[in-house]
Amino acid sequence: EVQLVQSGAEVRKPGESLKISCKASGYDFTKYWIGWVRQMPGKGLEWMGIIYPGDSDTAYSPSFQGQVTISADKSISTAYLQWSRLKASDTAMYYCASQSCTNGVCFFEYWGQGTLVTVSS
Amino acid sequence: DIVMTQSPATLSVSPGERATLSCRASQSVSSDLAWYQQKPGQAPRLLIYDASTRATGIPARFSGTGSGTEFTLTISSLQSEDFALYYCQQYNNWPPNTFGQGTKLEIK
Repeated sequence: EVQLVQSGAEVRKPGESLKISCKASGYDFTKYWIGWVRQMPGKGLEWMGIIYPGDSDTAYSPSFQGQVTISADKSISTAYLQWSRLKASDTAMYYCASQSCTNGVCFFEYWGQGTLVTVSS
Repeated sequence: DIVMTQSPATLSVSPGERATLSCRASQSVSSDLAWYQQKPGQAPRLLIYDASTRATGIPARFSGTGSGTEFTLTISSLQSEDFALYYCQQYNNWPPNTFGQGTKLEIK
């Protein structure tokens, strides 16, 4: 059974750094892209970026390029989403999701439970 | 980026009736479209991929049609557990794999 288990809720002040995690199990972590999705309070889903853990190839949405860093540690089947300087506008629920592919195109099939990040002074 | 537009924003339907949700892409995405359901306090769940293929465990009352720029999700006979938010997402042209803004399906 595929499972994605995310780290717990975080509260930080503006300007602080943060790294949240997503631990995968039940499949070969190195062979499927895994990504992150933001959901701001009361809003819709926003695709942030993805990583291929096998070679750490990454792709970001232009909206999030330079604002966050996505990484992975294949030795422990874990993906990460990181901020160097948080802003209040980063307050949101963040989901990780792993992709499945058909005919060379890929969609999010499995989702983590979400990590709530609150940034407030 | 490809813009995905869902309509209506809110749909009010009675249990047992049919619901039809629409999703339009700003340019062709072939059949590379997924639908997700999200209930309050829960992560999204994949319903449909490749525009019309139900994901594992999804009931047959959910069906998807369309290709190119116009897509439809139909729920044939609404059950109480179907009232939720629904999002479409294209994965033909990335990054990013853009989502629509969502349709809230509420009880009439």
